Amino acid sequence: ETGVTQTPRHLVMGMTNKKSLKCEQHLGHNAMYWYKQSAKKPLELMFVYSLEERVENNSVPSRFSPECPNSSHLFLHLHTLQPEDSALYLCASSQGASGSYEQYFGPGTRLTVT
Amino acid sequence: QKEVEQNSGPLSVPEGAIASLNCTYSDRGSQSFFWYRQYSGKSPELIMSIYSNGDKEDGRFTAQLNKASQYVSLLIRDSQPSDSATYLCAVNARGADGLTFGKGTHLIIQP
Repeated sequence: ETGVTQTPRHLVMGMTNKKSLKCEQHLGHNAMYWYKQSAKKPLELMFVYSLEERVENNSVPSRFSPECPNSSHLFLHLHTLQPEDSALYLCASSQGASGSYEQYFGPGTRLTVT
Repeated sequence: QKEVEQNSGPLSVPEGAIASLNCTYSDRGSQSFFWYRQYSGKSPELIMSIYSNGDKEDGRFTAQLNKASQYVSLLIRDSQPSDSATYLCAVNARGADGLTFGKGTHLIIQP
């Protein structure tokens, strides 16, 4: 159904754990994004990558560490998270990093920090 | 601070009627505007994009943009129960690579 896949779909982790979220796009796009969606809050842009280079970091705490090894794959490495980091983490891709391009979202990873 | 405002609803519309969803934005230099639909427990799905003043139609959906008044709207004609969802307005603010989203409007189509 979707050209953007994310794994895992659900993740429960303790505050001292280290885990990684994975995103893969099959659309031939050049830009990829991480967004965070918390209850009662709008989607928040976290990171933007264009051709594997980070072009925007929206003042995200260092406990979130992105990695983009190629234009099809994007990771979000998590360590020492806080309970308030529990949210839906969404990956998106677009043809280019200019905001004029349509962005397509993956199904998301529902993260719970205990 | 760049903001996108939407009425959170719920907006209740009878089946077959026109649903009208509105969005205002603060950055006058914004150039790209998008509407996403999000079902409960699912990720956002792109419905429409609009870049120029005026109307853009796609099937039962019409997006309207008025840059002078800084608002964008989405009309859904012949509303169906399957249209019940949260509709997110997203704006590409000037100089930004990502999108700024509103909180969304919860739409309920009553059979």
